[in-house]
Amino acid sequence: GENVEQHPSTLSVQEGDSAVIKCTYSDSASNYFPWYKQELGKRPQLIIDIRSNVGEKKDQRIAVTLNKTAKHFSLHITETQPEDSAVYFCAASSGTLMYSGGGADGLTFGKGTHLIIQP
Amino acid sequence: DGGITQSPKYLFRKEGQNVTLSCEQNLNHDAMYWYRQDPGQGLRLIYYSQIVNDFQKGDIAEGYSVSREKKESFPLTVTSAQKNPTAFYLCASSIPGRQGAGGYTFGSGTRLTVV
Repeated sequence: GENVEQHPSTLSVQEGDSAVIKCTYSDSASNYFPWYKQELGKRPQLIIDIRSNVGEKKDQRIAVTLNKTAKHFSLHITETQPEDSAVYFCAASSGTLMYSGGGADGLTFGKGTHLIIQP
Repeated sequence: DGGITQSPKYLFRKEGQNVTLSCEQNLNHDAMYWYRQDPGQGLRLIYYSQIVNDFQKGDIAEGYSVSREKKESFPLTVTSAQKNPTAFYLCASSIPGRQGAGGYTFGSGTRLTVV
């Protein structure tokens, strides 16, 4: 089944600087890669996602890049702000209906990165 | 306002007691999931259901049970066989097989504590 590794587990950056979180996946059949943000005590929320036919996607201050050959994808946050402080999870999916370690859509999650924005 | 509702928000369980966590969605999603979240361990899948009256074990199903009698509802029972149930439990739903259709929608979670 799919295995998703996420690094670092904790990331502290100065407000205004950029933050990068990296994930690797093992299943070459994976073709959908979402990122979720979870604020303390709240539900994870989808912030950006990318499909395997695209190398990069941007949405204002956040961007995701995908390297299919190396099987890794990254989340980039520029001009970080205090409200960016949260735990971020990456995930990978092959989009199949068969269970492959992550449920009906094959979503397997990384262990999360605690992003701390220092004022 | 479509979404997923989990209740209760906080739940306390005594040793040897079974408790049931509620998860209801009005998104018309066929697939529903239960995850357990522990510090530093990310999200681990307990059970999932692709369709009414069908469900499958996830990675850590031991000590848990589910039912899916209605499309909208996917309750999770934490049984006395679960030796370390203290955790944050998240329910999610999605449209199965339609990758990229917004991913998962999560509920707000239930924090279960053994007393």
